[in-house]
Amino acid sequence: DIQVTQSPSSLSASVGDRVSMTCRASQSLGMSLNWYQLKPGKAPKLLMSAAATSHTGVPPRFSGGGSGTEFSLTITNLQPEDFATYYCQQSYSVPPITFGQGTRLEI
Amino acid sequence: QVQLQESGPGLVKPAQTLSLTCTVSGGSISNGAFYWAWVRRLPGKGLEWIGHIYYSGKTYYNPSLKSRPTIAVDTSKNQFSLKLTAVTDADTATYFCARLLTGGNSWLDPWGQGIQVTVSS
Repeated sequence: DIQVTQSPSSLSASVGDRVSMTCRASQSLGMSLNWYQLKPGKAPKLLMSAAATSHTGVPPRFSGGGSGTEFSLTITNLQPEDFATYYCQQSYSVPPITFGQGTRLEI
Repeated sequence: QVQLQESGPGLVKPAQTLSLTCTVSGGSISNGAFYWAWVRRLPGKGLEWIGHIYYSGKTYYNPSLKSRPTIAVDTSKNQFSLKLTAVTDADTATYFCARLLTGGNSWLDPWGQGIQVTVSS
C-alpha cells in the first residue's frame, strides 16, 4: 500500500502569516493527492484535488502544489477561521484510501 | 446540493456491535459516479478509512480492521450503513460518512458532520 507522510504534525502561526505543510508519498502519485480541512464539530471540507485544483468556494489564499512524491499546501494571509487540522489523502491507488497523519495549525 | 448525515448510538459497550446509518439528501445514492464511504477520526491518531460501497452493493474494506466492518446500502431509503463487530475502546472515534468520487482521482466530498462514538461499559 502507498504510505503518505505529512509534516509538520503541528504548526503555530499568527493571523496574517504564511504557512506551508508537506506530504511525501512512498511512491509516485502523479498529481493524485487531495487536501482536507477538519474543524471540531463540523463536516470536513475538501480544499484541493489533483494536488493543485481548488475546490468550489475555497478562498484563493489556499494553494496546493507538487507532483510525484512531494506535495504542499500553502495558506497565505492566515485568517482566524483557518486554524484547524489539515490532512492529505492519496488517490493514486484506491482502495485503500490512505491519509497523512495530519497537521494541526494553532494560533 | 448533496448532504450527508450520520445517525446512531453514541455509546457502545465493549464486545458489542457498533451500528451507524448515513442518510443522503439532495441526490441519489444510486448515482453511478460515486461510492459511499465511512471514515473515522481516532483520538490523537488522525483519519482512518473504514470502507466504501457502490450502489450495487460492491464493497471494499480496510484490511487492518480484520473483517469486523460490514457496509450495506439501502437505495430505497437513500441510506448506507456501517456495522462494526466486537468493538473495543480502540474503536472510540468520530465516525464520518462521505461521498467518494469514482475514477482516477478519487476524493471525498461532501462529508457528514460526524458522530462521536464511545466504547465503554
